Amino acid sequence: GAVVSQHPSRVICKSGTSVKIECRSLDFQATTMFWYRQFPKQSLMLMATSNEGSKATYEQGVEKDKFLINHASLTLSTLTVTSAHPEDSSFYICSAKKGGAFFGQGTRLTVV
Amino acid sequence: KNEVEQSPQNLTAQEGEFITINCSYSVGISALHWLQQHPGGGIVSLFMLSSGKKKHGRLIATINIQEKHSSLHITASHPRDSAVYICAAFLNSNTGKLIFGQGTTLQVKP
Repeated sequence: GAVVSQHPSRVICKSGTSVKIECRSLDFQATTMFWYRQFPKQSLMLMATSNEGSKATYEQGVEKDKFLINHASLTLSTLTVTSAHPEDSSFYICSAKKGGAFFGQGTRLTVV
Repeated sequence: KNEVEQSPQNLTAQEGEFITINCSYSVGISALHWLQQHPGGGIVSLFMLSSGKKKHGRLIATINIQEKHSSLHITASHPRDSAVYICAAFLNSNTGKLIFGQGTTLQVKP
């Protein structure tokens, strides 16, 4: 089946620094990928839709300057959390659609 | 009211019991996913349904499009089935965007 790989799985960073998370479709081309955020004991919330070769579409309330998305190729989308703060600590997960939805392994970000 | 509603939110069962998790949705959908999320956070897609019924091992998923309702059943439950189960709907717009239910936390005791 289709595989989506997300890296890193865990990252700890200092306040004020930026963190990049990668999402790769390993065996298929994904013109569209999705980025979700999950707070503890809550469901996933869509942050943005990443479109290859064009600007990402952000959901209401998500700061586009804070969460930079780049989808430079058909197999790679990146999410950069800029000037991270402790409240950005969360679980971030990407998905791509090929028939059904395939999810990356997720990234647990801790900002200290 | 959420567009995708799951029940129950929490479920505790004894090993061997038959388990049902329900999902109702209020929007037009093209397909519905049942997902499993383990404590580490990783998500596995169990089923994608647009009609009828699917079975994989001890897991069965059904969907009734007219009633806008889907169920996930686990037969002969086992402690390793303990996880969060999430239903997620693809909207009719076919953008690939998913709307998630709140999740059902299942604990199966030995």
